[in-house]
Amino acid sequence: DGGITQSPKYLFRKEGQNVTLSCEQNLNHDAMYWYRQDPGQGLRLIYYSQIVNDFQKGDIAEGYSVSREKKESFPLTVTSAQKNPTAFYLCASIGTGGSNEKLFFGSGTQLSVL
Amino acid sequence: KQEVTQIPAALSVPEGENLVLNCSFTDSAIYNLQWFRQDPGKGLTSLLLIQSSQREQTSGRLNASLDKSSGRSTLYIAASQPGDSATYLCAVYTSGTYKYIFGTGTRLKVLA
Repeated sequence: DGGITQSPKYLFRKEGQNVTLSCEQNLNHDAMYWYRQDPGQGLRLIYYSQIVNDFQKGDIAEGYSVSREKKESFPLTVTSAQKNPTAFYLCASIGTGGSNEKLFFGSGTQLSVL
Repeated sequence: KQEVTQIPAALSVPEGENLVLNCSFTDSAIYNLQWFRQDPGKGLTSLLLIQSSQREQTSGRLNASLDKSSGRSTLYIAASQPGDSATYLCAVYTSGTYKYIFGTGTRLKVLA
C-alpha cells in the first residue's frame, strides 16, 4: 500500500541533543513538507522541498534542518538551537500533477524534552 | 501573506444535527483548498479537495463549498454521528507559493 511512514512515533530529547525524525514515502511524490503542531493549534510549516536536492524554509525554520537526497526521504533534524521542541511533527507529500492533487500525511512523531 | 481562520474553534452538537464549519482566507489567489479530519494523536486525512475553478465538492454526508471572491469555504456535515467527532482543518494552497497554509481547526464533538 502506498503511503507515508514516519518514525519513531515517540521521541525524547535531552538538553543539548540533536534528534532526527524520519519520513519516507512510496507515493512517488515530488513535493514533501514538514509541519509542527502544538496542542490546540493548527499546523505551522517548518521546511518544504519541491524536488530532490532542493528545499526551502517555511515559517518557523529556526532550530531545524532538513535534507532531500532521495525522492522518497525527507528527514528532519531538530537541533539544540530549537529551545522549545516539544510538539507533534507531521510529514506530508503531494504529487505535482495539477490542482486536483491531494496532500497526504504520515501518522506523526510526538517529540518531548526530558 | 496568506492567513487562514476557522470558526468556531469548538462545537458540540447532539447526534443527527446538520452542521456547518467555516474557513476564511485572506488571499483569493488560491490553487485549491482542502478539508482534513484529524483524530487525537493521529495524522490528517483528506476529506475533500476543491480546485479554484470549482464551487463545491461532495462525498457522502460531506459537502464543501468555495467562494474565492469572498475568501470563504464551508464544510457541511449532514446527519452528524458520534464517529464524526474529531478536529476538522482547512488548508489553502496559494498560487505560486508551493505550500499549504492551515487554519487552526474546529474541534467537533457529536453527542450520542
